[in-house]
Amino acid sequence: EIVLTQSPGTLSLSPGERATLSCRASQSVRSSYLAWYQQKHGQAPRLLIYGASSRATGIPERFSGSGSGTDFTLTISRLEPEDFAVYHCQQYGSSFTFGPGTKVDIK
Amino acid sequence: QVQLVESGGGVVQPGRSLRLSCAASGFVFSNYDMHWVRQAPGKGLEWVALISYEGRDKYYADSVKGRFTISRDNSKNTLYLQMNTLRPEDTAVYYCARGTPSGYWGQGTLVTVSS
Repeated sequence: EIVLTQSPGTLSLSPGERATLSCRASQSVRSSYLAWYQQKHGQAPRLLIYGASSRATGIPERFSGSGSGTDFTLTISRLEPEDFAVYHCQQYGSSFTFGPGTKVDIK
Repeated sequence: QVQLVESGGGVVQPGRSLRLSCAASGFVFSNYDMHWVRQAPGKGLEWVALISYEGRDKYYADSVKGRFTISRDNSKNTLYLQMNTLRPEDTAVYYCARGTPSGYWGQGTLVTVSS
């Protein structure tokens, strides 16, 4: 089973700042089958990025994904108030696993 | 618009069974693989099971293999999760989700396993 590790656990930033979230896999993720989801309190997850770097429909350009192999990054170029949430990575190249999540909260 | 609505959650004693349903609308249900994903209180997401679009192929997380069964009725646009021999660690919000990766999710249904 591929284990995903996300860092940091919590990221405290101010609106307008840049957020960089990391997702590391215990083994290479096949074909960069790596997705990122945003989840706000009490809500279902929302797909942001798939295939490591493709934005899902309706996702603002300030969200971008990069990486391959075992190291992946989600970048939010300038945080908006609605971006403070928990972010989960998921690999779907070998069965399915999620990372533990990174919480982005207001500094 | 795409809608996924879970139901069937509740409080159940350890060792008992429960069946969850997910009613789909707004898209051609029979064209999509479907997942169940759960989230224990205050924890991260855990993938539970996947069923292929026609229902032929089914995959399970090791934590539920042999106890849970995923199924679907494409004539009723409904996804199911039969959960047997429930354990306290199965307590979670259970979400159904469309496709891989999952672009649409239901709002979730809470299952609490407690005596």
